[in-house]
This record gives sequence, structure tokens and C-alpha cells, in this order.
Amino acid sequence: DTAVSQTPKYLVTQMGNDKSIKCEQNLGHDTMYWYKQDSKKFLKIMFSYNNKELIINETVPNRFSPKSPDKAHLNLHINSLELGDSAVYFCASSQGTTGEAFFGQGTRLTVV
Amino acid sequence: GESVGLHLPTLSVQEGDNSIINCAYSNSASDYFIWYKQESGKGPQFIIDIRSNMDKRQGQRVTVLLNKTVKHLSLQIAATQPGDSAVYFCAENDDYKLSFGAGTTVTVRA
Repeated sequence: DTAVSQTPKYLVTQMGNDKSIKCEQNLGHDTMYWYKQDSKKFLKIMFSYNNKELIINETVPNRFSPKSPDKAHLNLHINSLELGDSAVYFCASSQGTTGEAFFGQGTRLTVV
Repeated sequence: GESVGLHLPTLSVQEGDNSIINCAYSNSASDYFIWYKQESGKGPQFIIDIRSNMDKRQGQRVTVLLNKTVKHLSLQIAATQPGDSAVYFCAENDDYKLSFGAGTTVTVRA
């Protein structure tokens, strides 16, 4: 009964590959996000979706493509993975823009 | 650009003492602030929030203070426990996104 769940938890892949991370929330929220956390723990917004519509794309390379099939899901597809993409990616959700955001457990992506 | 940041990257505190974690923000238009706690291997977890029409808010063992004049936010943890060891982030809600500061790592000494 996890509120925000991401899969996989760990992902190790070679440069140049394409990979996807899935996210689902069962909180009934209308807004979902992807954040990237680097090795220094800095958290940065990547994308924000409200009611399946892209609201924010925070200067993320177009190798990253989010997809929201419905309000409960926001998946992240990454093409042509690079070493610099190695990080922990967090999915989150909130109700509207003024409530607290609930985060998933994160996906640790390692590109070798 | 405008950002949210923390004064100190690490804080070591004796178990049972009070902890104070500080945060400076630069967007004077921000009206909602949140403190998150992130334990090792987990996602950030909501601790407490405050809106700009307040200057203080209390939760269980935690208090958030907001000083809009100097754009400063602080989190006070009373009677710090070993389970409080984590990275703490302040964040400002800026329409459809949270902008996080660099975290403060809190270590509780037994």
C-alpha cells in the first residue's frame, strides 16, 4: 500500500542504452514530478505534470521523455544514456501546487 | 537565479539536546515552505510546513520559524534522538515545483 512507488529501485546500464523508470501513486493526487538527486544530495526538479499535462520542463535534455498515461502514473524514459545521468531519480506527487509532495523511494541509476 | 539554501552542510548534536537547522531563501514572493527529512536510501519525507502568513508553526518535537524580513527559515528539533540522524532540506513551493536547498546532514551523538 505504498503511496508513491517507483520501479526499479536500482538500475545499472551501459552508456548509449535506453531505459525507463516507472512511477505510480495511489494518493489520488493530480500533480506528479520527477526530481534528480546528484552525488552531493542536491535535489533538482526535472518535470512537473498536472492532470497528465506537462507543466514544467526544467531545461532537461530531450533524451529524457516523461509520459503520463493517467493521473496516477508518470514514467520517465531516457534515451542514449550518458555517464552524467548517473544519479538517484525520485518521483513525487501532490494535490495541486500548494500541498506537500510525497516522494517515492528513488531509483538509483548507474551508467557504466 | 533565486534559490533556497542552507547555512551549514553538517550538524553534530548530542542526543537529548535541541537541534537548529537554518535555511536562507531569496525568492521574496514564495508563500509556502516545507522541511523534509531524508534518511539513507529513502526518499525525502515531509516534516512540517509553513505559509508566509505565519511566523511560527509547531509539530511533534519540531518547530519551524519563518522570518520574512530577512528571508530566513529554521527548523528546531527538541530532544534530538538517534532516529533524527538524516539529511534535512528546506524547500520553497513555487507553483508546480519545489525548489530545494542543499541539505544539512544531522548526526546525533550518543
